[in-house]
Amino acid sequence: ILNVEQSPQSLHVQEGDSTNFTCSFPSSNFYALHWYRWETAKSPEALFVMTLNGDEKKKGRISATLNTKEGYSYLYIKGSQPEDSATYLCAFIMYSGGGADGLTFGKGTHLIIQP
Amino acid sequence: DTGVSQDPRHKITKRGQNVTFRCDPISEHNRLYWYRQTLGQGPEFLTYFQNEAQLEKSRLLSDRFSAERPKGSFSTLEIQRTEQGDSAMYLCASSLGGVSEQFFGPGTRLTVL
Repeated sequence: ILNVEQSPQSLHVQEGDSTNFTCSFPSSNFYALHWYRWETAKSPEALFVMTLNGDEKKKGRISATLNTKEGYSYLYIKGSQPEDSATYLCAFIMYSGGGADGLTFGKGTHLIIQP
Repeated sequence: DTGVSQDPRHKITKRGQNVTFRCDPISEHNRLYWYRQTLGQGPEFLTYFQNEAQLEKSRLLSDRFSAERPKGSFSTLEIQRTEQGDSAMYLCASSLGGVSEQFFGPGTRLTVL
């Protein structure tokens, strides 16, 4: 059973502040790590697909880093805005010899931005 | 709209009844995935298809669950003899395969009374 942990479970941040949260995953048989944003009443939406150790990806005010050797990824949000309120999910793909299979998700970090 | 669609969006059923959900993926995507999400948890992988072939099934998928993807287009997920523990959001996603991002549908919320 793959263990993907996210912390913290929930986070309240003041508008304009920056924040970050963590995803930890197995460091063996790594294939890829995905980050998704899931807003209430909407579908999960991909933010980043990360495959290489040391990867850094950026989309607007959101960025992510990846360390496959130690099994963790950080997601950063700079200058939080109310529209950033959502649950942020990371998902791990293990290499199984036959290629990529389904995603193993963490429980998510529920982010609330307070005006 | 060319996104992933799911039908129905909500289903309420009595324990012991059979239910079937449908997923229509993005047309050029050859991979289709089913996940289940319960309160406070992330989505849990159930099964996936490469075109019409079902390539992997999670141990979570009991014998009461069956999924099909005839002709490699839409997919159905059937739950027989539903139990209260089956109450969850059932999500479908599709992708181009490999490590590509997955595009999710809006989900089907199942409530078993």
